Amino acid sequence: SQTIHQWPATLVQPVGSPLSLECTVEGTSNPNLYWYRQAAGRGLQLLFYSVGIGQISSEVPQNLSASRPQDRQFILSSKKLLLSDSGFYLCALGRSSYNSPLHFGNGTRLTVT
Amino acid sequence: AQSVTQLGSHVSVSEGALVLLRCNYSSSVPPYLFWYVQYPNQGLQLLLKYTSAATLVKGINGFEAEFKKSETSFHLTKPSAHMSDAAEYFCAVSVGSNYQLIWGAGTKLIIKP
Repeated sequence: SQTIHQWPATLVQPVGSPLSLECTVEGTSNPNLYWYRQAAGRGLQLLFYSVGIGQISSEVPQNLSASRPQDRQFILSSKKLLLSDSGFYLCALGRSSYNSPLHFGNGTRLTVT
Repeated sequence: AQSVTQLGSHVSVSEGALVLLRCNYSSSVPPYLFWYVQYPNQGLQLLLKYTSAATLVKGINGFEAEFKKSETSFHLTKPSAHMSDAAEYFCAVSVGSNYQLIWGAGTKLIIKP
């Protein structure tokens, strides 16, 4: 079965520091991978998605970036965190099919201080 | 443009009472619809999905949803609420050329003892 690993579970970082969140998946190959963010009062916001190695689509312009160096690895990064980057970051995997649901990891709670 | 509206950011019911969470969508094509549940500090978990096979869809934990094309609705129900149902619930529709999900804003379900 498909498994999504996200780490760390919680993270506290000062403003201006770099960020690297990693997501790895097991039990599947060639998945579509997604990074979502939940911030207080803002619902689910799609940040990036990837349909393959090295292929990244950005949905929201910001100081975050994503990379997919391997088929089952998806990384979210920032060179300098802002207070507004605080939130709950979720990695998800899916398929290029309308009736295929997304499967989510357990998320990373990021607090920028 | 496609959209999803969840009526009520918070819904409060007594334990044992009927749960009704509302979701309306707008879509120019037949939609694929999903309900997800999110417990505190966890990722989202698929409750059920509608893919045109049957208008009444049964999901996990005793939840079900009925697709009503004439009302463009996909409301989530459960006959008898349990304390463990307290969570946030998200409705989503799958549309578009890149198989993206359009998300509702979420409804927090509060169960009163």
